[in-house]
Amino acid sequence: QKEVEQNSGPLSVPEGAIASLNCTYSDRGSQSFFWYRQYSGKSPELIMFIYSNGDKEDGRFTAQLNKASQYVSLLIRDSQPSDSATYLCAVKDKYSGGGADGLTFGKGTHLIIQP
Amino acid sequence: EAGVTQFPSHSVIEKGQTVTLRCDPISGHDNLYWYRRVMGKEIKFLLHFVKESKQDESGMPNNRFLAERTGGTYSTLKVQPAELEDSGVYFCASSQGTKFGANVLTFGAGSRLTVL
Repeated sequence: QKEVEQNSGPLSVPEGAIASLNCTYSDRGSQSFFWYRQYSGKSPELIMFIYSNGDKEDGRFTAQLNKASQYVSLLIRDSQPSDSATYLCAVKDKYSGGGADGLTFGKGTHLIIQP
Repeated sequence: EAGVTQFPSHSVIEKGQTVTLRCDPISGHDNLYWYRRVMGKEIKFLLHFVKESKQDESGMPNNRFLAERTGGTYSTLKVQPAELEDSGVYFCASSQGTKFGANVLTFGAGSRLTVL
């Protein structure tokens, strides 16, 4: 049974600080890792994906992957109130998509950025 | 470009009734996925279409659920007869295929199903 674990929160961070969201996964065969942001009542929206160990940066967002520790994180720099949402971690055990497997999601972390 | 569209946004039915959810993927996306989120649980994979073919339906809960994608365009997910435990939000997602080795999915806003 593949599992993706996230702290449900809420995680409260002051505006302008760095928000750090963490995710662990059980399947060592996992190859692709995704962070989605979901506002209440809206669709999950892809923020970043990563599949190589190390850091990947995109604007204020940095995804970090450590396959040995089966750990993936998302850092949000200069947090804004508009970043307040639920952040979903998802993993996929196939390197290339369109194949037989879907994403395995965590329950999500509720992030609150305090003005 | 238009996103993934789902209809209805919310459906309230009684136990034993039938409900059909519809998903219109992004035009040109061959891959179409159905996911479900039950209250308090994580989003779970139900099935995956590549064009009109079911590529993987390992996540379908039981034979009360029937998904179709005739012509490889829009898809429907029928629940018949509905049970209380079927309540949740049903998400549809589509993708064009691989991009930098990862399958990037675009999700719809979901169809909330409430079974009374």
